[in-house]
Amino acid sequence: SYELTQPLSVSVALGQTARITCGGNNIGSKYVHWYLQKPGQAPVLVIYRNNNRPSGIPERFSGSNSGNTATLTISRAQAGDEADYYCQVWDSSTGVFGTGTKVTVL
Amino acid sequence: QVQLVQSGAEVKKPGASVKVSCKASGYTFISYYMHWVRQAPGQGLEWMGLINPSGDSPTYAQKFQGRVSLTRDTSTSTVYMELSSLRSDDTAVYYCAREKHITSVCRFFDYWGQGTLVTVSS
Repeated sequence: SYELTQPLSVSVALGQTARITCGGNNIGSKYVHWYLQKPGQAPVLVIYRNNNRPSGIPERFSGSNSGNTATLTISRAQAGDEADYYCQVWDSSTGVFGTGTKVTVL
Repeated sequence: QVQLVQSGAEVKKPGASVKVSCKASGYTFISYYMHWVRQAPGQGLEWMGLINPSGDSPTYAQKFQGRVSLTRDTSTSTVYMELSSLRSDDTAVYYCAREKHITSVCRFFDYWGQGTLVTVSS
């Protein structure tokens, strides 16, 4: 089965840039989507189809995908960006989520 | 506005079954696939399966084959997830999530239910 690997945690200073990676075999050939999840809440879609933002998601969130790594970038990080982040792809008629990354804003 | 409202928390004994509902509103129910995703305490997200409300057979993750059943009631715009032979490691929050279908290989979830905690304990 297809696996997606994310770093357990990422720390970023307030106002700086955070990059969260999502590794998978030839993930660049797939569409990657990203969700954030705050404690006790349902996930929220922040990036779809590699680099598209749903309405209401700030331009500070962006995505890229190439080779074996997809990346979610959070620019000008704010305290409210603290959350768990998950990547997701569709593979062999199955939904696959990454292992999740906890983002801490210092 | 799109809303997915799930049924309340459940406590079940090992070996029992649980059925969680997800009532959709604010859009055309049969036009969007619905998925189920679960999250064990302190763990990540795990995809369980999907159902096409317009009638195709559901698709299940291999891990849950034979134990999970997804059904729908178009008259009430509700989908159901039933999980049988419950074990302690089935303790989790279960979410329904609406699929935004772009292509057959570009599938993601644009709206989620609030989650239903299922606790399995003797």
